[in-house]
Amino acid sequence: AQTVTQSQPEMSVQEAETVTLSCTYDTSESDYYLFWYKQPPSRQMILVIRQEAYKQQNATENRFSVNFQKAAKSFSLKISDSQLGDAAMYFCAYRSARDDKLIFGTGTRLQVFP
Amino acid sequence: DSGVTQTPKHLITATGQRVTLRCSPRSGDLSVYWYQQSLDQGLQFLIQYYNGEERAKGNILERFSAQQFPDLHSELNLSSLELGDSALYFCASSASAGGQPYNEQFFGPGTRLTVL
Repeated sequence: AQTVTQSQPEMSVQEAETVTLSCTYDTSESDYYLFWYKQPPSRQMILVIRQEAYKQQNATENRFSVNFQKAAKSFSLKISDSQLGDAAMYFCAYRSARDDKLIFGTGTRLQVFP
Repeated sequence: DSGVTQTPKHLITATGQRVTLRCSPRSGDLSVYWYQQSLDQGLQFLIQYYNGEERAKGNILERFSAQQFPDLHSELNLSSLELGDSALYFCASSASAGGQPYNEQFFGPGTRLTVL
């Protein structure tokens, strides 16, 4: 069975600085997708960024980028120029290419200090 | 706003009771998913429906059931409620099913269930 591990329960960053959130996963599959979701205090789950396993190029969405290391089964999220609005829980998620269910990690709470 | 609506926002009930959570997917989406977010279990996939048919099942208890109606809205029924069922229940929707590459799931705001 696939598993997703987020080993950092909490992280903090100064406004305008850069922070990296870690995620590792375990799977025997070769084709899958990885996601980072943001959950602010409103509890809404918001998709931040996605990565297809067959793509070598790391995904980027404005200030958000990932470092995808397929062999190491690692998928970290880098947030550049952190803003107060980035404060939230961040969940890493895995989805097989064979089905649609999302498997989530336990989350990392990010605090942003002015 | 994701376009997915869930009602009610909050629900407080007693042990042993039965409740129904409702979800309306984004316009045009055929798949509906239910997830449970609790302190001890984290975020867990419960069940998926696609165009009215059950598509996939996760860690859903036998006391829980779901269905998707012809207008594509979905309901999650929770019965014989226990204290441990207190959680945030999310509905998500996506356009298709079957592991399609760009089948993104968009989440609703959730229903907070409190069992006393």
